Amino acid sequence: AQTVTQSQPEMSVQEAETVTLSCTYDTSESDYYLFWYKQPPSRQMILVIRQEAYKQQNATENRFSVNFQKAAKSFSLKISDSQLGDAAMYFCAYRSPYGGSQGNLIFGKGTKLSVKP
Amino acid sequence: EAQVTQNPRYLITVTGKKLTVTCSQNMNHEYMSWYRQDPGLGLRQIYYSMNVEVTDKGDVPEGYKVSRKEKRNFPLILESPSPNQTSLYFCASRIGVPPDEQYFGPGTRLTVT
Repeated sequence: AQTVTQSQPEMSVQEAETVTLSCTYDTSESDYYLFWYKQPPSRQMILVIRQEAYKQQNATENRFSVNFQKAAKSFSLKISDSQLGDAAMYFCAYRSPYGGSQGNLIFGKGTKLSVKP
Repeated sequence: EAQVTQNPRYLITVTGKKLTVTCSQNMNHEYMSWYRQDPGLGLRQIYYSMNVEVTDKGDVPEGYKVSRKEKRNFPLILESPSPNQTSLYFCASRIGVPPDEQYFGPGTRLTVT
C-alpha cells in the first residue's frame, strides 16, 4: 500500500522569504499523481499544485513550485516570497492513475506553516 | 458554479442520536468520497462511491454508513454516534478521467458529547 510522509509537523517563515515543505512517499507504481493542498483557517481544501510522475519537469504555479525526485520518492513544495495569506496547513497527497479505490487520494499528516510579518 | 456542498457545516449532538450529513455535487462526477480529518492524522478516507449504488469501504469505515441513490448525492450516516467520531468531515468528488481533479466540500465540524 502507498504511504505519504510529511516529516515537519510545523514550519515557520518570515514574510517575503522562501520556505520548503518536505514530503516523501512510498509506492511500487511507476505512474501516479502527486498533489499539494492548502488548508487555511477557513478549512477549505485548496489544490495548490499537481505533478504527474511521468513528467520530468517540475510543476510551477506562480510562487509555488515543486522539487520532484522520482528515484528518491520525494516531492517537496517551495513557496517563494511568502505572504501572510500563505499561513495554513499544507497536505501532500498521492494518487494512482487507476480507477476504483486505487484512484483515491492518500494524504500525509500535514505541515502547519506560520508566516511571520 | 462547480461545487460540492455539505450540510450542516457545524453540528453538536449527543452519543447515540442518529445523524446524517448531506453531500451534493453539481459536476456530474462519477466518484465521491468521505474523509475525516483529525489533528496529527491528516485526512483519512471513510467510504467512497464509484457510481450510483456502488460504494466501498475506505480506511476508517467503522461506525459509518453511506448511500448513493442518485449520482449527485452521497450522504454520510452515523446511526449511533460516539465521542470518537468527533472530527472534521469532508466530502469530495472527481470525474474519474484525467485530469481528474478532486473537488472538496467546505467541511462539516461534528462534535459528539
